[in-house]
Amino acid sequence: QKEVEQDPGPLSVPEGAIVSLNCTYSNSAFQYFMWYRQYSRKGPELLMYTYSSGNKEDGRFTAQVDKSSKYISLFIRDSQPSDSATYLCAMSAAGRRALTFGSGTRLQVQP
Amino acid sequence: ETGVTQTPRHLVMGMTNKKSLKCEQHLGHNAMYWYKQSAKKPLELMFVYSLEERVENNSVPSRFSPECPNSSHLFLHLHTLQPEDSALYLCASSQDAITPPNYGYTFGSGTRLTVV
Repeated sequence: QKEVEQDPGPLSVPEGAIVSLNCTYSNSAFQYFMWYRQYSRKGPELLMYTYSSGNKEDGRFTAQVDKSSKYISLFIRDSQPSDSATYLCAMSAAGRRALTFGSGTRLQVQP
Repeated sequence: ETGVTQTPRHLVMGMTNKKSLKCEQHLGHNAMYWYKQSAKKPLELMFVYSLEERVENNSVPSRFSPECPNSSHLFLHLHTLQPEDSALYLCASSQDAITPPNYGYTFGSGTRLTVV
């Protein structure tokens, strides 16, 4: 079983839709949770960061962490064609520099 | 120049060649990483350097040899690679301390490696 599971997609939605991206994980030591966005031919860029459980909102993006279910989500409101990219979840345990990544979900927002 | 810069962007090499990938960061970070990204697979951690000292080596074959001469530069030396080593090789850097709000990597754009 992989430490982090993420549906690879592709996920295709019309412009303006609400997008929900999810990851599940098995390691209960994970405390730091991140979402990265990767455009084609680019490296991943940090989008959202959350520590432990709860919600965090930044503009059109909301990150949720449910540690009891070992489940994290990223919501994108009013999705735009420029949101078309691969979204990677990543997480880490306290005191460990290295991140464990999901395989990424490819999102396509149709104009 | 800012951020994390990787060169070359693309590399095609034969199985008997020797080549090197270069990474440079201008962020003042103390930790640097090599990751391998293959299609439909999670990013695989290869090496971690903290203050120029290798602190993690994730069971990577010896045909990959990292070098970190200072906290701003990281190299990955390649020799006698296999076709299955073809992938996107990503370099990243971060602050050494794992506490918010500094947590998170800054990635370079990667080197697309093809082994023929």
